[in-house]
Amino acid sequence: DGGITQSPKYLFRKEGQNVTLSCEQNLNHDAMYWYRQDPGQGLRLIYYSQIVNDFQKGDIAEGYSVSREKKESFPLTVTSAQKNPTAFYLCASRKGQGVPYEQYFGPGTRLTVT
Amino acid sequence: GNSVTQMEGPVTLSEEAFLTINCTYTATGYPSLFWYVQYPGEGLQLLLKATKADDKGSNKGFEATYRKETTSFHLEKGSVQVSDSAVYFCARNSGGSNYKLTFGKGTLLTVNP
Repeated sequence: DGGITQSPKYLFRKEGQNVTLSCEQNLNHDAMYWYRQDPGQGLRLIYYSQIVNDFQKGDIAEGYSVSREKKESFPLTVTSAQKNPTAFYLCASRKGQGVPYEQYFGPGTRLTVT
Repeated sequence: GNSVTQMEGPVTLSEEAFLTINCTYTATGYPSLFWYVQYPGEGLQLLLKATKADDKGSNKGFEATYRKETTSFHLEKGSVQVSDSAVYFCARNSGGSNYKLTFGKGTLLTVNP
């Protein structure tokens, strides 16, 4: 079955450590996205990539970094510079340029930093 | 800029009740509109979509009609079930060449037996 996988489902880190969240898709989608979800705030876009080796900042990119070396993979690194990293992180993908615009989501990773 | 406003929850209904979750969007361009559903501890699933004015999206008994004149895309279901308990997100595409989605803040629905 095609889909998006995110691992791990739960992640715990100490403050001051960088941590990388995995996102892999086998849908042959061109575009990939990272969102952060906090209670009562909906989804906020961190980074997105429309093609391999290219990515753009979203609305809340500070303290995060990404890479897109392969079409299937879009890992997100939460750096120690991110002030409030504890959140639910969602990865999504979309087929390509133009319609359809809908995005397909992975199951998410819940990151807790103490 | 682009934005989506949906009714604040939580919404609590009894099984078999009628559901409406209101959603309005800013009238920039001619966006495609979406409803996503998120069950506890999971990612978002696309529930339905509409790509132009007067289109009706439908899935699993849920419906929403793209109303350009009122810039609305309200979600409705005639008879909810306990299994419909989830958070519902309205979204629009941002337009232009970046193909981003703008989401509402979500509405928590709880259906009691």
